[in-house]
Amino acid sequence: GDSVTQMEGPVTLSEEAFLTINCTYTATGYPSLFWYVQYPGEGLQLLLKATKADDKGSNKGFEATYRKETTSFHLEKGSVQVSDSAVYFCALKRAGNQFYFGTGTSLTVIP
Amino acid sequence: DAGVIQSPRHEVTEMGQEVTLRCKPISGHNSLFWYRQTMMRGLELLIYFNNNVPIDDSGMPEDRFSAKMPNASFSTLKIQPSEPRDSAVYFCASRPTGQGDTEAFFGQGTRLTVV
Repeated sequence: GDSVTQMEGPVTLSEEAFLTINCTYTATGYPSLFWYVQYPGEGLQLLLKATKADDKGSNKGFEATYRKETTSFHLEKGSVQVSDSAVYFCALKRAGNQFYFGTGTSLTVIP
Repeated sequence: DAGVIQSPRHEVTEMGQEVTLRCKPISGHNSLFWYRQTMMRGLELLIYFNNNVPIDDSGMPEDRFSAKMPNASFSTLKIQPSEPRDSAVYFCASRPTGQGDTEAFFGQGTRLTVV
């Protein structure tokens, strides 16, 4: 069945460090891929998405490229800030309404 | 739009009591999802509705859980009787069906504690 695998957390980085959070997926067909972010005490918010192979989603300095050959959608940011501290979820959606979420990766950025 | 609205934000109840969580989806969104989030199991889909009809309830843990969507603007998730292991954050999300790759929009969640 469809599934998403994220790197285990928690991740702790110093401010201005480079961030990578790995995400790989298993799905038939051509899913759409998403990154959501959850700030403390809040619901999930869409961070970025990509709907077909080689698409790059970007928002707030974060980027992720849909790599069909490696079935991956890794999240990157060149210079993290304290305000980026949150839990990040990778997700996929195939045709229809069903979303599949990864387990989430907690990021803490220290000054 | 105010977004997906859930109530209450926090609920503390005693084991054995009935708990009802409420959700108002974004107007015009005809798909609605209930998720449960715990440290151990992450984010789990419990049930989702399309046009007020339950489509997939395979994630509902047991008969103590039930969900309804009497109209397009309101849904409830009920736990009766509640147990301490039901303690979690419950999220409601909605999206417009048939609009390709539109994301799901989440509410702020209800933190349920069963003591």
